Amino acid sequence: EAGVAQSPRYKIIEKRQSVAFWCNPISGHATLYWYQQILGQGPKLLIQFQNNGVVDDSQLPKDRFSAERLKGVDSTLKIQPAKLEDSAVYLCASRAAGGRETQYFGPGTRLLVL
Amino acid sequence: GQQVMQIPQYQHVQEGEDFTTYCNSSTTLSNIQWYKQRPGGHPVFLIQLVKSGEVKKQKRLTFQFGEAKKNSSLHITATQTTDVGTYFCAGPPSGYALNFGKGTSLLVTP
Repeated sequence: EAGVAQSPRYKIIEKRQSVAFWCNPISGHATLYWYQQILGQGPKLLIQFQNNGVVDDSQLPKDRFSAERLKGVDSTLKIQPAKLEDSAVYLCASRAAGGRETQYFGPGTRLLVL
Repeated sequence: GQQVMQIPQYQHVQEGEDFTTYCNSSTTLSNIQWYKQRPGGHPVFLIQLVKSGEVKKQKRLTFQFGEAKKNSSLHITATQTTDVGTYFCAGPPSGYALNFGKGTSLLVTP
């Protein structure tokens, strides 16, 4: 079974620039999550999708972050404009509907904002 | 909102020594999950505990869920260098969205 795919793996941008991350979840997984992991901390949930609908985006800084999952499969997370404090690893995870609640994480995108 | 605290933040042991990390939630959890993240890697699911007082074992790892379902522990017997990484507990305050602790980073020296 293929895992969660993310791209790019690394990104370096300057503050005030925009950046987009892509995630392709495990096939058939209805639930998709985006997390932000700052160095030395645990992952923090940014947004949760169920198919193509948003379940929870309470911790998403909506003035600069946006995310979509138009066809209920892959998803993009965008930051515009980026700030220095956005430097982090952005992790995508997916979970199958029903059954175990295990989340499977992708390799993450490491973002450095200069 | 719900907070998940983990102690210790760091632990350095000699290979062969035991290791324990503790997780405490400010609210009752429906379940608790443990993940391991190797340096430079992503979190990998280890186990999920659901029942009050539940104990599960995976080879040298023993996981416990407290009676009040607000705390949990992970114990590793006779650590090996392959156990190096950060161990996170995570619990859903509602639904399935996980609230992660800050993790315990384990360093094992030969």
